[in-house]
Amino acid sequence: GQQLNQSPQSMFIQEGEDVSMNCTSSSIFNTWLWYKQDPGEGPVLLIALYKAGELTSNGRLTAQFGITRKDSFLNISASIPSDVGIYFCAGQRNSGGSNYKLTFGKGTLLTVNP
Amino acid sequence: NAGVTQTPKFQVLKTGQSMTLQCAQDMNHNSMYWYRQDPGMGLRLIYYSASEGTTDKGEVPNGYNVSRLNKREFSLRLESAAPSQTSVYFCASSNPGLTTRGEQYFGPGTRLTVT
Repeated sequence: GQQLNQSPQSMFIQEGEDVSMNCTSSSIFNTWLWYKQDPGEGPVLLIALYKAGELTSNGRLTAQFGITRKDSFLNISASIPSDVGIYFCAGQRNSGGSNYKLTFGKGTLLTVNP
Repeated sequence: NAGVTQTPKFQVLKTGQSMTLQCAQDMNHNSMYWYRQDPGMGLRLIYYSASEGTTDKGEVPNGYNVSRLNKREFSLRLESAAPSQTSVYFCASSNPGLTTRGEQYFGPGTRLTVT
């Protein structure tokens, strides 16, 4: 099936540093979503993007919907230890059906050293 | 609101045993989904239910069956468990529409081991 290429696979950073990760696809998506998964928990929605070029913030998190609609970026500023977890991107095509299935990237594992 | 709830949280099965994973949501969402998560594979869709009374196969449906019991509940059944079904299973729900655009909300997961 359709795959999203998410990078990097993992990151080890110091507390206070900024973080960037991205997702790319060979196909166009109409919605991009970013989720965070803490150890032993389910993914939690962080940011949803609906328009090409859109830039949206949620606290220290900022995400962008790429102009080509084939990519998206997530930035975390001034990282703190509780930012540790796996970050997933997901794309949605809204192809006319009512199910709105998501295609997920394989995740970026973030480790923050205090 | 509890959001999406799943039972059980943990389960160990022997090969060939059957079990049903339960999922319920209290957000009045129309669509529900079952995913499995394996190391390095991300989240893969097993089955989904676009609305009450309908179910469809996802990316990896073999070895599973589902039932959309009502608008709130969506169960996943393993008829004859195999070691390859050892995984973490997540249920999700969404309400596709013009404003919500169908963002999916996930439960806490069921960790299944098949020996």
